[in-house]
Amino acid sequence: EAGVTQSPTHLIKTRGQQATLRCSPISGHTSVYWYQQALGLGLQFLLWYDEGEERNRGNFPPRFSGRQFPNYSSELNVNALELEDSALYLCASSLGTGWYNEQFFGPGTRLTVL
Amino acid sequence: QQQVKQSPQSLIVQKGGISIINCAYENTAFDYFPWYQQFPGKGPALLIAIRPDVSEKKEGRFTISFNKSAKQFSLHIMDSQPGDSATYFCAASMVNFNKFYFGSGTKLNVKP
Repeated sequence: EAGVTQSPTHLIKTRGQQATLRCSPISGHTSVYWYQQALGLGLQFLLWYDEGEERNRGNFPPRFSGRQFPNYSSELNVNALELEDSALYLCASSLGTGWYNEQFFGPGTRLTVL
Repeated sequence: QQQVKQSPQSLIVQKGGISIINCAYENTAFDYFPWYQQFPGKGPALLIAIRPDVSEKKEGRFTISFNKSAKQFSLHIMDSQPGDSATYFCAASMVNFNKFYFGSGTKLNVKP
């Protein structure tokens, strides 16, 4: 069974540009989560999508947005990039809602903002 | 405000020793406490999890100890092995919120 996949592996942008990160969940999983892993800060919850809708959002500005497609894959968009947006962005998927649904993580996209 | 505080930031243990990582939380509404293991270049993977209705959960060499009154929980790795060298994250969440609060991580290095 294929795991969660993310693309691209690495992304280099300059300040003010836009970045688009993509995630494909495990087959059968309907929930997708996005996390930001900045150095020394652990994982910060960004967004949760389930069945195509945004269900919850972390404490991030509106320039962080995303969507979930009918095939349950997801896209994270970061507009007006700032230097502090440089981080590893992790996507996770689960079978659906509910705490007992384990979240499976992808390998992440390393975003560098110059 | 960090919802989950994790310590130490890094840990060096000899092979065969016990590794102990501690976490503390503030929100008493949290009712699910997982631990994740992350190897370089990989995403975190669920290692073991506990709910506050039990004080301890053991799976192989990994044990979670939970102290509800102190709002603390810890991961113990018995007979630590070089293959356990990774970064460990504790987390906390509330039922049906699907929003996890992670600790800042502990980089464990097990020396052969």
